Amino acid sequence: ETGVTQTPRHLVMGMTNKKSLKCEQHLGHNAMYWYKQSAKKPLELMFVYNFKEQTENNSVPSRFSPECPNSSHLFLHLHTLQPEDSALYLCASSQVRGVGSPLHFGNGTRLTVT
Amino acid sequence: GESVGLHLPTLSVQEGDNSIINCAYSNSASDYFIWYKQESGKGPQFIIDIRSNMDKRQGQRVTVLLNKTVKHLSLQIAATQPGDSAVYFCAEAGENTPLVFGKGTRLSVIA
Repeated sequence: ETGVTQTPRHLVMGMTNKKSLKCEQHLGHNAMYWYKQSAKKPLELMFVYNFKEQTENNSVPSRFSPECPNSSHLFLHLHTLQPEDSALYLCASSQVRGVGSPLHFGNGTRLTVT
Repeated sequence: GESVGLHLPTLSVQEGDNSIINCAYSNSASDYFIWYKQESGKGPQFIIDIRSNMDKRQGQRVTVLLNKTVKHLSLQIAATQPGDSAVYFCAEAGENTPLVFGKGTRLSVIA
């Protein structure tokens, strides 16, 4: 149990589908993050929320849409994805957004776009 | 680890020996550094962190060393065990910059 739970663990979707990834943290943290981990690149930061407010969007295409209804839950809504979007999507949380507050990761959702 | 496909540096170590994993960081303004361990099928797991006002920090069987002069970070694992086999990432952050991860090093422990 990592304290950060992601569902589903695996997802296969077509390019015209709409799906959502869910993340829930049980650590009482105030910042939440989405990262993308692909086979050919290091971990890439996508979005950051601090106290439910989006503080960073790291030039992510609009086909990825985050939602943070409260400090414990984070969603990533997906639509009209491309095959190159296939990757492991990792959610993380930290006490606050900032130096000295390490990130705690979930085990990710393995996404395959066909 | 989940970075299969990347050309990761690999370190092979005999069980019981000490391991040293190195990381060069790029941003001289970074003042916070973290080491993560990622096992196959799992997300990165926090190991140890260090602020730039320190040059050494110890945990259970692990030590992180920071050399700000040459922008170098290392993770030392004492008495390496098979369960230590994983991909290890260093990450750096500054007051105004988010956490940036390195490419990772794959540690293989030979029993």
